[in-house]
Amino acid sequence: KAGVTQTPRYLIKTRGQQVTLSCSPISGHRSVSWYQQTPGQGLQFLFEYFSETQRNKGNFPGRFSGRQFSNSRSEMNVSTLELGDSALYLCASRTEGAVNTEAFFGQGTRLTVV
Amino acid sequence: DQQVKQNSPSLSVQEGRISILNCDYTNSMFDYFLWYKKYPAEGPTFLISISSIKDKNEDGRFTVFLNKSAKHLSLHIVPSQPGDSAVYFCAASGERDDKIIFGKGTRLHILP
Repeated sequence: KAGVTQTPRYLIKTRGQQVTLSCSPISGHRSVSWYQQTPGQGLQFLFEYFSETQRNKGNFPGRFSGRQFSNSRSEMNVSTLELGDSALYLCASRTEGAVNTEAFFGQGTRLTVV
Repeated sequence: DQQVKQNSPSLSVQEGRISILNCDYTNSMFDYFLWYKKYPAEGPTFLISISSIKDKNEDGRFTVFLNKSAKHLSLHIVPSQPGDSAVYFCAASGERDDKIIFGKGTRLHILP
């Protein structure tokens, strides 16, 4: 079974631009969550999608948005990029039902804003 | 407000000894707890979990202990091996609000 796939792996953008990251969950998984990892801050929860609906949202500004498609693939968008958005963005998928189950992570997209 | 706290940013342990990683949480609605391991440039890998109805769960060299009254959990690795050197994240979720919340991580160094 293929794991969680994130594309691209690396990205360099300039301030003010916008970026879209993609995540393909494990086959059969309908829950997709996004996290931001920065040094010293651990994994900060961005949002979770389940069956194309945003089910949970973290404390990030509205510049961070996402969506999920009918095949469970998810995209995350960040508009008007700031230097502080440089981070590793991780996507995780969970099994159908998705209550009290572990999440499986992709390798992440390393975003650098210059 | 950090709901899951890992107060030790790093820990060094001799190979073959026991590694103990600690985690505290503040949200009493959490009822499921997880530990993840992360190597550089890779995504976190699930290690072990525990439901709030238990106080211990064991899987090979890894054991997680949960003390609900103290809102504390710990991960024991016995014996510690060089490949255990990584960052370990504690995480928690609650059935009513199912998002998984992570701590900031503890970097474990296994010394030869």
